[in-house]
Amino acid sequence: GDSVTQMEGPVTLSEEAFLTINCTYTATGYPSLFWYVQYPGEGLQLLLKATKADDKGSNKGFEATYRKETTSFHLEKGSVQVSDSAVYFCALTASGGSYIPTFGRGTSLIVHP
Amino acid sequence: ETGVTQSPTHLIKTRGQQVTLRCSSQSGHNTVSWYQQALGQGPQFIFQYYREEENGRGNFPPRFSGLQFPNYSSELNVNALELDDSALYLCASSGGTGGAYSYGYTFGSGTRLTVV
Repeated sequence: GDSVTQMEGPVTLSEEAFLTINCTYTATGYPSLFWYVQYPGEGLQLLLKATKADDKGSNKGFEATYRKETTSFHLEKGSVQVSDSAVYFCALTASGGSYIPTFGRGTSLIVHP
Repeated sequence: ETGVTQSPTHLIKTRGQQVTLRCSSQSGHNTVSWYQQALGQGPQFIFQYYREEENGRGNFPPRFSGLQFPNYSSELNVNALELDDSALYLCASSGGTGGAYSYGYTFGSGTRLTVV
């Protein structure tokens, strides 16, 4: 079945540091890939997406590129801020069927001033 | 456009009781899905409704049931509550299966259920 694997957290960084959160996936067909962010006490918010190979999703300084050859969708940001502290979820929606998303376990990011 | 709204925001129930959680989907969205998120875990898919019909179900027992109404709002019902049902319950909507594939889901802020 479909699955998403994220790097274990927490990831702890100083403000203005470079961020990478790794995500790899297993899916049949041609999935769409997503990153969601969850701030404390809130629901998930869609951060960015990519629907086909080599697409780059970007939003709020975050980027991720859909790499079919390595089945990866790593999240990156050049300079993190304290306000980026949250839990980040990688997800996929497989093509065909009822398009139900599969989520990774989440990676907690803590940014210190 | 309005987002996804869930009610109530917090709830405390006793083991063995029944609970109903409610969700209003984003305007224009006809697909609603429900997730259970335990503390420190990712969302676990419960079920999904498309135009009032259930079109997908995760690995949850039958005491988890749901409805979608003609206005695409939805309910999650849980019978015979157990302590392990304590979690954040998230509702998410999308503009149909094609919308879910291309644009992802819009999530509500969730209902925090505590079973004692």
